[in-house]
Amino acid sequence: DAKTTQPPSMDCAEGRAANLPCNHSTISGNEYVYWYRQIHSQGPQYIIHGLKNNETNEMASLIITEDRKSSTLILPHATLRDTAVYYCIVSYRGGSNYKLTFGKGTLLTVNP
Amino acid sequence: GAVVSQHPSRVICKSGTSVKIECRSLDFQATTMFWYRQFPKQSLMLMATSNEGSKATYEQGVEKDKFLINHASLTLSTLTVTSAHPEDSSFYICSAGAGTGNEQFFGPGTRLTVL
Repeated sequence: DAKTTQPPSMDCAEGRAANLPCNHSTISGNEYVYWYRQIHSQGPQYIIHGLKNNETNEMASLIITEDRKSSTLILPHATLRDTAVYYCIVSYRGGSNYKLTFGKGTLLTVNP
Repeated sequence: GAVVSQHPSRVICKSGTSVKIECRSLDFQATTMFWYRQFPKQSLMLMATSNEGSKATYEQGVEKDKFLINHASLTLSTLTVTSAHPEDSSFYICSAGAGTGNEQFFGPGTRLTVL
């Protein structure tokens, strides 16, 4: 799987948008970008994924650059409960290449 | 939907005993389940991948005879830590995939403490 690079930590004010960057310059054409988050002492939570196009769901938006070498996860209105470690992962979808390899992620701290 | 449970959530055992952890997909059938381990202040490390009805595939460095995985049905996988030692103390997390997609849904984790 391609590796990703994320800043170790970020801060965000409550109510503001949180923009979490991720570099994945070695991503291959068939690999998707996945975002998960892990609140302290809990299992990770799936957020969103995408291949080429920007994606949006009830939790977040995912913006993928045209060359697919980087992406940004956007939490439009961060709340205190969004404080967590956010993981950006690139992986194939389905088949035998099914693994998710977790890096160190970004610790997002939402401040009141 | 897509709820995964784990039992127990916390277990303390004596060195040398075996501990079984259950992972269940509550509202979907999981063709593939994954077991991860997470040490304090570290990221998740994949231990093994199990497919229903077949033997688990272990990651390099994970002892298959120590970490026994059984995936007997589409909704249940178990991880047994045999002859546990203090260095096995960790946060064990399972996840389940529901088919060709790669969205894995994670359980809440089991904190194992071996005295």
